[in-house]
Amino acid sequence: QVQLQESGPGLVKPSETLSLTCTVSGDSISSDYWSWIRQPPGKGLEWIGYIYSSGSTNYNPSLKSRVTMSVDTSKKQFSLNLRSVTAADTAVYYCARVTAFYMQFDYYYYMDVWGTGTPVTVSS
Amino acid sequence: SSELTQDPSVSVALGQTVRITCQGDSLRSYYASWYQQKPGQAPILVIFGKNIRPSGIPGRFSGSTSGNTASLTITGAQAEDEADYFCSSRDSTDNHFVFGPGTKVTVL
Repeated sequence: QVQLQESGPGLVKPSETLSLTCTVSGDSISSDYWSWIRQPPGKGLEWIGYIYSSGSTNYNPSLKSRVTMSVDTSKKQFSLNLRSVTAADTAVYYCARVTAFYMQFDYYYYMDVWGTGTPVTVSS
Repeated sequence: SSELTQDPSVSVALGQTVRITCQGDSLRSYYASWYQQKPGQAPILVIFGKNIRPSGIPGRFSGSTSGNTASLTITGAQAEDEADYFCSSRDSTDNHFVFGPGTKVTVL
């Protein structure tokens, strides 16, 4: 059974870069999409972006100028870098697997495996 | 990019049926997926596709879509179903994903 675990600093200073890593266990990291989602305190979920195992990426337009994602298939890890953070970036950050397939004339997209989440606070 | 809308909250009596809706243009092209989130926990997938439940999700959860509206129905709500429910779909104009704002379900 696939499991995901986020790791990284819980406190980041304003204007610095938030860096998180998600480690995949129980299955290969190849041939799947891997996503980051965040949730500010008391608010809803916000999709940050995804990276395919080949390295191709797609980011939320509202964050695109500050986000970079990367993948290391040998370590079974994928990472998130968010630059120039402010207090508005304070949130619980989740990594998740995106399953996508086409079957019987329909496309299916869903996030079926999630990490437990890691809280990140932006503060000096 | 597309947006998804949900009612902020809904309540249901124990054992009764509740339907949560999600509206957005992207739902005309792509199915919604639904996530249950309890306080302090990560979301879990409860419905995807036309009406598919992942392994371990009780049969009282079901989904449907009509036009630009997706629905999650809990038939015979239990106390443990009290949670926030988020819908999500792929954007219809690009390869992005979007989440609805969430519906808080209270079981009375």
